[in-house]
Amino acid sequence: GQQLNQSPQSMFIQEGEDVSMNCTSSSIFNTWLWYKQDPGEGPVLLIALYKAGELTSNGRLTAQFGITRKDSFLNISASIPSDVGIYFCAGQSTSGTYKYIFGTGTRLKVLA
Amino acid sequence: NAGVMQNPRHLVRRRGQEARLRCSPMKGHSHVYWYRQLPEEGLKFMVYLQKENIIDESGMPKERFSAEFPKEGPSILRIQQVVRGDSAAYFCASSPTRLETQYFGPGTRLLVL
Repeated sequence: GQQLNQSPQSMFIQEGEDVSMNCTSSSIFNTWLWYKQDPGEGPVLLIALYKAGELTSNGRLTAQFGITRKDSFLNISASIPSDVGIYFCAGQSTSGTYKYIFGTGTRLKVLA
Repeated sequence: NAGVMQNPRHLVRRRGQEARLRCSPMKGHSHVYWYRQLPEEGLKFMVYLQKENIIDESGMPKERFSAEFPKEGPSILRIQQVVRGDSAAYFCASSPTRLETQYFGPGTRLLVL
């Protein structure tokens, strides 16, 4: 079945630093989504990508849909303490029922 | 502009009891997805439903688990004869169509004693 590898699994950074994380897949996807999950809450959508090569920003966040349609990355610039949380990528299958496959998450901790 | 609603937020059951988790999608959304999340892990797809139909249940355990999304009312994820291994957070997401972005509810945290 389709799998998503998300890396890094966790990272500790200093406030103000830039952060980069990525997802790679064994097969192509139609859509990439990036979510953030705070403790005890549901995932909140950050950015949606619909075309290969697409680069989209949302404030300090920038995400790209890889040209091969098998990968995506998320960058956070000038991190702040409230960026702490778990970031998930999700790719939408190109066949069958078009369900989403989720990555294992990147746990981000920001040191003030 | 209510988002996806889930209730209860927390549910405690003893082994052998039944658990019923409810999900009301966003207004105008007819596609509902259920996911399970174990502590420190990602979201595992369970089932995808459209009004009155199960579209994809490839992630559902073969026994004790069932889901429905009736014409009227919320989607229900039902777990019969719960076991301790069922303890997890269960999230529901909805979308207007199958090709559009999913929005998540706050989750139901099930604890089986």
